[in-house]
Amino acid sequence: LAKTTQPISMDSYEGQEVNITCSHNNIATNDYITWYQQFPSQGPRFIIQGYKTKVTNEVASLFIPADRKSSTLSLPRVSLSDTAVYYCLVAPPWRTGYSTLTFGKGTMLLVSP
Amino acid sequence: DGGITQSPKYLFRKEGQNVTLSCEQNLNHDAMYWYRQDPGQGLRLIYYSQIVNDFQKGDIAEGYSVSREKKESFPLTVTSAQKNPTAFYLCASSTGLAGDYEQYFGPGTRLTVT
Repeated sequence: LAKTTQPISMDSYEGQEVNITCSHNNIATNDYITWYQQFPSQGPRFIIQGYKTKVTNEVASLFIPADRKSSTLSLPRVSLSDTAVYYCLVAPPWRTGYSTLTFGKGTMLLVSP
Repeated sequence: DGGITQSPKYLFRKEGQNVTLSCEQNLNHDAMYWYRQDPGQGLRLIYYSQIVNDFQKGDIAEGYSVSREKKESFPLTVTSAQKNPTAFYLCASSTGLAGDYEQYFGPGTRLTVT
C-alpha cells in the first residue's frame, strides 16, 4: 500500500484558498486517491476522490499530476468551520483485497478569523 | 435517514474483560470496516468485510474478532488479548462497487479500559 506524507499542520484565514499536498511516491497503477475530513471525536467524512488530472465537486478540487506521485486538495474560500484534520488515502480498487488501509496522521488545518 | 450507528458512544471496561462494540448500517452497503484511532494518530484498519459471512484481517487484527451474519451488522469484539484496547473505534461502510471509494463513517465508540 502506498505510504502517504502530508504536512502536520497548516494555518489559514477565512476567505482564503487552501491547498494541502499529499506525497505518495510509490503509488501503484491501479490505486485511487481519496481525501477525508475529520472533526474531533467524529468519524471522517469523504470529500473527494480521483485517479488522475483534476476532479472538482461542490466543496473541493483535487489536482493530480501526470506522474501521480502527489496530489493536492484545494479548498476554496475556507471558513472557520473548515478547521479540521484532512487525510489523504491511497488505496487499490475494492475487491482486489487489502490488509492494510491506513489513514496517515493527516493535516490539521486551523482557520482563523 | 440512512446512515451508520455505533453504540454506545462511551464504554468503560475492566482489564481482562471482553467487550463488543455495535455497528449497524441501513445504507444497503456490501462492505463494512472497523478502524482504530489513537490520540493524535490516523486511522488503522482492524477488520473489513466485503460480503455477508466473509471478513478479512486488516493491519492490526490481533486481539480483535468480528462477525458478519447480516448485511446490516458488523460487531467488533475487543478481547482480553488486546494489549492496548483503550482507543476511539470507528465503523464504516461503502457500496463495494468498482470505482466507488467513499466510506461512510459512524460516530465512533470511545473505549476506556482500566
